Parts: sequence; structure tokens; C-alpha cells
Amino acid sequence: NAGVTQTPKFRVLKTGQSMTLLCAQDMNHEYMYWYRQDPGMGLRLIHYSVGEGTTAKGEVPDGYNVSRLKKQNFLLGLESAAPSQTSVYFCASSHTPRGDRTYEQYFGPGTRLTVT
Amino acid sequence: AQSVAQPEDQVNVAEGNPLTVKCTYSVSGNPYLFWYVQYPNRGLQFLLKYITGDNLVKGSYGFEAEFNKSQTSFHLKKPSALVSDSALYFCAVRDWGSQGNLIFGKGTKLSVKP
Repeated sequence: NAGVTQTPKFRVLKTGQSMTLLCAQDMNHEYMYWYRQDPGMGLRLIHYSVGEGTTAKGEVPDGYNVSRLKKQNFLLGLESAAPSQTSVYFCASSHTPRGDRTYEQYFGPGTRLTVT
Repeated sequence: AQSVAQPEDQVNVAEGNPLTVKCTYSVSGNPYLFWYVQYPNRGLQFLLKYITGDNLVKGSYGFEAEFNKSQTSFHLKKPSALVSDSALYFCAVRDWGSQGNLIFGKGTKLSVKP
């Protein structure tokens, strides 16, 4: 049981380049999330998905796209990278919140992205 | 709008002393509250949560948190700190406006010195 995995672990891009970050989970979770972590800013939600084939915008979605073609995978794309997207990106997953039942999120190890 | 605040960027504690990491919240519905810990170069790990019931919640690694409705606080505590507790701690609250997403605080760096 690997939990939540992310690839790659590190990446350096030049401004204008594109890339895709892959997140995979083996816990059969419905919900998946992409966050970015910046010093002094905490974690900010980029996009999330409540199930296969569905995605929704979070707090800071501009410049990113996502896809959830399979339940276990959640992809984050940067079409034209900018230096402001230099950050550490975390993927997380959870069971579906139902009424009063709220479940903890499980996080991947992160991807450190630098855009020059 | 829901939010959490962690008023201290850093907390310094001597090993063996009790520690407290502070969190206050603002929510429009029931306050579902969480604490997470992040060790260097790692993802966040769940420590504990408050949904309902006893105001004192016990979690992993000997941590506990006290829910105080009148003060809208959810402080993280441990009776005796270890050097290995040094990490970044995040408080979070369920966002009732967005299908149950979590809203995280900015984090508090805990440093435990021998």
C-alpha cells in the first residue's frame, strides 16, 4: 500500500515551458486535491476532484489545468510556466465527506518545481 | 468566509517542557478542525481532528488538542516535547462552502532544543 505518490520529485523549467505532474493513490479515495505551498502562505488549493471525470477550481486555479481520467490518478498541468509558479506542489486524497462525516486527507511527498 | 489563524510563525521549546501551538478559527457552520504536521522535505501527516464530542482530542505521537468554543480556539498541546517533534504544524478547518475541502492556516514552525 503506497498511499499517495507523486512524480516527479524535482523539476526545473524555463519560462514558457509546459509540464504535467502526476499523482496516484491506491486507497480507493473519491476525492483528490492539488495544493501549492509557498513560504508564509501555508497550503493553497489549486484544483480538486470529487470523482473520476470531474474537476473543480480551488483558491488559486489560474495557470493550471487538471484531469481525472482514472479514479486513482489526478494530473496537474502547467501549459506555459511562469516564475510565479515556482513552488512545492502537494497532491492529497480523501474519502468523500458525507454529512457529518469528514475524513482526513492523505498527502503525497511533494514536487519541488523551479521556473527560471 | 471560513478561516483559521495561527498567530505564531515559530514556537521554541526546550526538550521535556510542555508545548502549545495556537490556532483560532472562524466558521459559519459546525467547526470541524484538524491538525497536520510536516517534517522537512515531506508531505503533511494527519495528527488529530475534532468533529464533535469531548473538547479534548487525543492524536498521534502523544499530541492532543483542546477545542474551546467560546474562544474559537483549537490549540495543539503535548505535555513533554521531544527534539523529534521539531516540524511545521498546520491547523485546518472544513470549508462548508465547497464540498468539504479544508482551509489551512499558514503554519507554525516548532523548534525543540535539547
